[in-house]
Parts: sequence; C-alpha cells; structure tokens
Amino acid sequence: AQSVTQLGSHVSVSEGALVLLRCNYSSSVPPYLFWYVQYPNQGLQLLLKYTTGATLVKGINGFEAEFKKSETSFHLTKPSAHMSDAAEYFCAVSASQGAQKLVFGQGTRLTINP
Amino acid sequence: DGGITQSPKYLFRKEGQNVTLSCEQNLNHDAMYWYRQDPGQGLRLIYYSQIVNDFQKGDIAEGYSVSREKKESFPLTVTSAQKNPTAFYLCASSPDGQPTETQYFGPGTRLLVL
Repeated sequence: AQSVTQLGSHVSVSEGALVLLRCNYSSSVPPYLFWYVQYPNQGLQLLLKYTTGATLVKGINGFEAEFKKSETSFHLTKPSAHMSDAAEYFCAVSASQGAQKLVFGQGTRLTINP
Repeated sequence: DGGITQSPKYLFRKEGQNVTLSCEQNLNHDAMYWYRQDPGQGLRLIYYSQIVNDFQKGDIAEGYSVSREKKESFPLTVTSAQKNPTAFYLCASSPDGQPTETQYFGPGTRLLVL
C-alpha cells in the first residue's frame, strides 16, 4: 500500500525567496512520484515526476524535486518564488506495478507575499 | 485543442436524487479516472477504467456508479446512497493507465446539496 504525507497545509514565502514544499511517502514497492499543481477552481496540472533514472527531476516553471530513497522524501523546490506560483500543490505516489492508482497527499497551499 | 471537458461546472442535488456528471476526452486515451476532492483531504479515487466496457472501484466507490461504453466518455452518477456528496469532482485520463504516465485533468464539477 502507498501513502503520502505533505508537511504543512499552508506555506507562505516572499516573492524572490526559496520555495520548499515537503513530501514524504510510504510504499511497499518501488514508487513512482509526482507533483501536481492546482490553480483556484481548476483541474490539476503535472509539474514533474520521478519514475526511474536521475533522482533530481526538473519540471515546468522552474520547479525541481529530488527523490531520496533513504529519507522516503520527494521535496519540491524553486529557487525564487514568483507571484504566479500561488496555488495548491499535491504530491502523489503510484506503485510501480499494476494499473496506475495515484495516492495523493492532502495538499499544500502556497501563498506568495509581495 | 485536445483535452478533457467536464459538465456542468456546478450541479445541485436534492435529497434522494441521483445526478450524473459528464466527462469527455478527445486525447484518444484508454484510461480514465474519477476523483473526489474535499478541503484538506487531497484527492481520493472513486473509480477508474483502463479500457472500454471495463472499470474498477477505487478507494471510495460506495454511493457512486460509472459506465464506460465509449472510449471518450466516462460519466459518473452520484446516487442517493451517497450521504455526503458535496465536493469538487475531477475527471482525468492517461494514455494506457501505466504507472509512469501523466494523468491529464479536466476543470472539475462542483456538486452542492440543496
């Protein structure tokens, strides 16, 4: 079985500051990991994903995440926050076997202060 | 433009009434999914389908039903047995339902109980 914990339901940073959104997972098999972003009253859009290969994954809009197996983590970072980054961010895990069934974390709402 | 459409954007349900949410995709994807989103709980999988005429229960299927008669359509019925239906409902699709794939989301339907 898989589960995801996102530390911090709300994160607030200043424009230009580092963004760090935390995600820890639990999985009985090697996981595939995803970060999705949701703007108000919209569907979700993929930011980045880790399946195999390089553990540092780069995504859209300047975001990146590093898969750390020893820490069971997949934290999302961006060096310099922009006002347009304000949204809700979801970490998700999928087992590497069988049909894809994404298990989502509870989400982190990111606020950017001018 | 290829994508996923959901209708209606808002839906009101009376006590004891069944309502159906529409989901259509023109991405030629085999796999389709329905999620329920509640504040602070992330997304939870209701049903998924990897191929026409076949679908599987997700984590919270009770009180819901689906059909998959056409590749491009995956309607969700919220039955009167679902006692707490107020939520934001998201439909998604992916090419084959494999664990590494990106899921593409529709804009969602917000269901409210009168």
